[in-house]
Amino acid sequence: AQKITQTQPGMFVQEKEAVTLDCTYDTSDPSYGLFWYKQPSSGEMIFLIYQGSYDQQNATEGRYSLNFQKARKSANLVISASQLGDSAMYFCAMRGAQGGSEKLVFGKGTKLTVNP
Amino acid sequence: EADIYQTPRYLVIGTGKKITLECSQTMGHDKMYWYQQDPGMELHLIHYSYGVNSTEKGDLSSESTVSRIRTEHFPLTLESARPSHTSQYLCASSEWEGRATYNEQFFGPGTRLTVL
Repeated sequence: AQKITQTQPGMFVQEKEAVTLDCTYDTSDPSYGLFWYKQPSSGEMIFLIYQGSYDQQNATEGRYSLNFQKARKSANLVISASQLGDSAMYFCAMRGAQGGSEKLVFGKGTKLTVNP
Repeated sequence: EADIYQTPRYLVIGTGKKITLECSQTMGHDKMYWYQQDPGMELHLIHYSYGVNSTEKGDLSSESTVSRIRTEHFPLTLESARPSHTSQYLCASSEWEGRATYNEQFFGPGTRLTVL
């Protein structure tokens, strides 16, 4: 079974500073993908970044980067130069490749608040 | 930009009523999903579909039902709404490429359901 753990219910950061949101995962699947989504208070889920288990380099998308440490089974999201609009819930998710595991499994989320 | 739509966005309804939450996507995606999410909590998969005439139950047991008669349309129905059904319902879709892990899920804006 796949499992995602996000241990930070809430995080606070000052505008323009960087913040790291933690995510650890557990799976027996040798091939898997890790995703981060942002959910503003309006409720929609916005895809941010993807990391494949066989990718050699950490994924980056603009101000978002993923600190992927495969041996530790962690996939932390780093947001650089935080903006007020980054205040939202952030969810880490995993998708496996074996039969029956194509579904996304989500963590409980981290609520990020960016202070001016 | 994702083209996936949900209606209504908000619904307040009395106990015992039959409701249908609509979800449609214009991306031609084969896979579609329904998630249930309580405020500030993680997403739980309740239904998914691999394509037309395919429906599967997700990880969280739900009294709702779904149908997939057309590729672009994946409605969710509650025959008799109860207060315990109060939640946000999110619809998503993705491409189906076998067991590839990299296909992100595109989410609709969600329906916030309140059953009195």
